[in-house]
Amino acid sequence: AQKVTQAQTEISVVEKEDVTLDCVYETRDTTYYLFWYKQPPSGELVFLIRRNSFDEQNEISGRYSWNFQKSTSSFNFTITASQVVDSAVYFCALSGLTNAGKSTFGDGTTLTVKP
Amino acid sequence: EAQVTQNPRYLITVTGKKLTVTCSQNMNHEYMSWYRQDPGLGLRQIYYSMNVEVTDKGDVPEGYKVSRKEKRNFPLILESPSPNQTSLYFCASSPLTRTLYLADLAEAFFGQGTRLTVV
Repeated sequence: AQKVTQAQTEISVVEKEDVTLDCVYETRDTTYYLFWYKQPPSGELVFLIRRNSFDEQNEISGRYSWNFQKSTSSFNFTITASQVVDSAVYFCALSGLTNAGKSTFGDGTTLTVKP
Repeated sequence: EAQVTQNPRYLITVTGKKLTVTCSQNMNHEYMSWYRQDPGLGLRQIYYSMNVEVTDKGDVPEGYKVSRKEKRNFPLILESPSPNQTSLYFCASSPLTRTLYLADLAEAFFGQGTRLTVV
């Protein structure tokens, strides 16, 4: 069985603050993918990043960065200098090689960035 | 335009009345999947399909059926809907990774969602 835990249900920050969204996963697979998605108030799901289990390099994309640590089974997401447009629900997801089509999403973290 | 189309977008129905939510993709993707989204519970996978005539249960398949007779279509069938199936439903499609035969959710396209209310 695989599981994704996003312990932070809601986070509220003031614009320009940095914020980290936590994601902890469980899987018995040694080969798997991790993903982050953003769901803005309009409702669509927007892909942010994919990381495979063999690549532990951290990634930075503009104000977004991701920290993947296999030792702690975590794949955390940091937004630097947050903006109001970052307000959304963020989902972490996992897809493993066993039951290759099965995908598991976390419950999501609702981020509110106040002006 | 590459897209996943779900119909209907909104549906209110009564308990026990069979319904079908259609999902169609125009990208020739092998993989398709259905999710339901409920407040505080994220997206939970209902069924998925790795290719035509191949379907498998996700985490919450009870009360649902699917079929994959053609690559582009993946309808979700509720034979006897109940109020606990009131939810927001998403269909998704994606290619499979070439090396691992794994659903490449990085390339996933999601439909606009179907908001279903069962009274």
